[in-house]
Amino acid sequence: SQQGEEDPQALSIQEGENATMNCSYKTSINNLQWYRQNSGRGLVHLILIRSNEREKHSGRLRVTLDTSKKSSSLLITASRAADTASYFCATRAGGYNKLIFGAGTRLAVHP
Amino acid sequence: DVKVTQSSRYLVKRTGEKVFLECVQDMDHENMFWYRQDPGLGLRLIYFSYDVKMKEKGDIPEGYSVSREKKERFSLILESASTNQTSMYLCASIARETQYFGPGTRLLVL
Repeated sequence: SQQGEEDPQALSIQEGENATMNCSYKTSINNLQWYRQNSGRGLVHLILIRSNEREKHSGRLRVTLDTSKKSSSLLITASRAADTASYFCATRAGGYNKLIFGAGTRLAVHP
Repeated sequence: DVKVTQSSRYLVKRTGEKVFLECVQDMDHENMFWYRQDPGLGLRLIYFSYDVKMKEKGDIPEGYSVSREKKERFSLILESASTNQTSMYLCASIARETQYFGPGTRLLVL
């Protein structure tokens, strides 16, 4: 069953613009993670935010978490063509480090 | 760097064939996972293993089995492949809450 739902499903922007993707989830979580997938490849971990954190930065990435609204956002600043990929949020709830992934947001950054 | 490898990038099989997908990780991780990815559905967990010879069903285990005889290797088995198992299959292992993925196997069942 899907826990995370990303919004929008697809996003198209110009290089240099910021890209914002949102994720909503249904149940209480331990942490929320964002992953990136280049076309036809495996997923790569970008950033993890814990349930007691509200904001986290990594380079051009900024993630926020609002546990009261059960939502998170991923902001990519000053986007580049190389940022073109699908982005997934994943939530950990429970043991064995199982993650539940959303359907993803497809981001296209045009030169 | 953590490395997760999968035996094939592309695979074409016929309906009814037995299919083995292999996954190997080189970091002594205990937990390993098999997902399938379909357009619009994201990643769905098929099986996972938290130790050698230990396995647990995920959300969509029907039609699949797994084997974990050694810590570094986690195999996904399609006992009798069907066309609805055409998909992208992703293997992952985990360290410190982060999952590390292999490059994926795109399986086509004819």
